[in-house]
Amino acid sequence: ETGVTQTPRHLVMGMTNKKSLKCEQHLGHNAMYWYKQSAKKPLELMFVYSLEERVENNSVPSRFSPECPNSSHLFLHLHTLQPEDSALYLCASSQGRNSPLHFGNGTRLTVT
Amino acid sequence: AQRVTQPEKLLSVFKGAPVELKCNYSYSGSPELFWYVQYSRQRLQLLLRHISRESIKGFTADLNKGETSFHLKKPFAQEEDSAMYYCALRAMDSSYKLIFGSGTRLLVRP
Repeated sequence: ETGVTQTPRHLVMGMTNKKSLKCEQHLGHNAMYWYKQSAKKPLELMFVYSLEERVENNSVPSRFSPECPNSSHLFLHLHTLQPEDSALYLCASSQGRNSPLHFGNGTRLTVT
Repeated sequence: AQRVTQPEKLLSVFKGAPVELKCNYSYSGSPELFWYVQYSRQRLQLLLRHISRESIKGFTADLNKGETSFHLKKPFAQEEDSAMYYCALRAMDSSYKLIFGSGTRLLVRP
């Protein structure tokens, strides 16, 4: 499979659960990103992993924990989320800092 | 602070009419500007970037540093152009961060 693949497509979880979102890219890119897309809000960059650096949006709560074991895989570990964390979580990758982003289809997360 | 503003949430035009999707940005340095598009049931994808100076699917966008704008234009809209359009800015001094506007839904009616 080519491109950027995210699993699961949909996730419903309670506030006390622990779950993880997975992203895999088959494009040979060296940077991966997590974005959050809430209703009526712009896409919000959460984390970036690249060979040179890890970029973190300081406004992201610690209940979101990223993991990037290699350049092809990216995880977002979730624990004790709040209902306002319900959103579409998009993964993207790029080849270096100057190339465009390639997005996955996203994981629709609902926190009950 | 860096910011991208798309003032229109919805733009509805008839097929064959000209289209202009507005994008204004706030950034004191040298930005790189992009337009991304999301068609129904498809993933978000790059439409064009200002440094390429190219026309994609009939769309063009010119960076106007004086007006801090990067409006997307097409002289004759087609029904298949109906989609969500997002303007995005990359600051040259922190180039992994791509900041998006809130998006404009373009609806092209027959």
